Amino acid sequence: AQSVTQLDSQVPVFEEAPVELRCNYSSSVSVYLFWYVQYPNQGLQLLLKYLSGSTLVKGINGFEAEFNKSQTSFHLRKPSVHISDTAEYFCAVSDWGAGANNLFFGTGTRLTVIP
Amino acid sequence: DGGITQSPKYLFRKEGQNVTLSCEQNLNHDAMYWYRQDPGQGLRLIYYSQIVNDFQKGDIAEGYSVSREKKESFPLTVTSAQKNPTAFYLCASSIGGGREHSDTQYFGPGTRLTVL
Repeated sequence: AQSVTQLDSQVPVFEEAPVELRCNYSSSVSVYLFWYVQYPNQGLQLLLKYLSGSTLVKGINGFEAEFNKSQTSFHLRKPSVHISDTAEYFCAVSDWGAGANNLFFGTGTRLTVIP
Repeated sequence: DGGITQSPKYLFRKEGQNVTLSCEQNLNHDAMYWYRQDPGQGLRLIYYSQIVNDFQKGDIAEGYSVSREKKESFPLTVTSAQKNPTAFYLCASSIGGGREHSDTQYFGPGTRLTVL
């Protein structure tokens, strides 16, 4: 079975500083990887996804993530954060060829941007 | 506007009552999903449906039921058998139909259910 580990439950960072949110997954087969963002009392919004090809994926709001197969990681980065980036971020993995696209989510990382 | 709607945004019910949460999408997606979100636990899959009139249990289906009579609608009933129903419930949809392995799920705004 797939699983996702987000090692940091909370990450405080000062405005305009860089940030990295860590995500590791376990899988014996090829996977698709996703990062979602959730603002308070709202649904999840897709930030970016890795399907195949280039291991560096660019998403919305200036975020990017790098797929590292040997490390089984998919860390999310942003070079300079803004107050509006304060939210919860979820990493997710899906099965390839499972017949159904079921997502397995990490427990989330709460990013707090400090003015 | 295309998207996924969930209603109501907030729902209060007395213990022992069944309650139905609505999820509607106008994206022409075949697949729909229900997740439960609890603080610090991420999202857990309750039920999913790949096509009309068909659905499968997810990881935490006990105490819940669903129907999929129409492509655009996937209501979730939280029954009195669910021991701890207070949570944030999220509905999602994707193109599905086995046409795209990279099938991306799109989420609705959620319903916060509180059982008193």
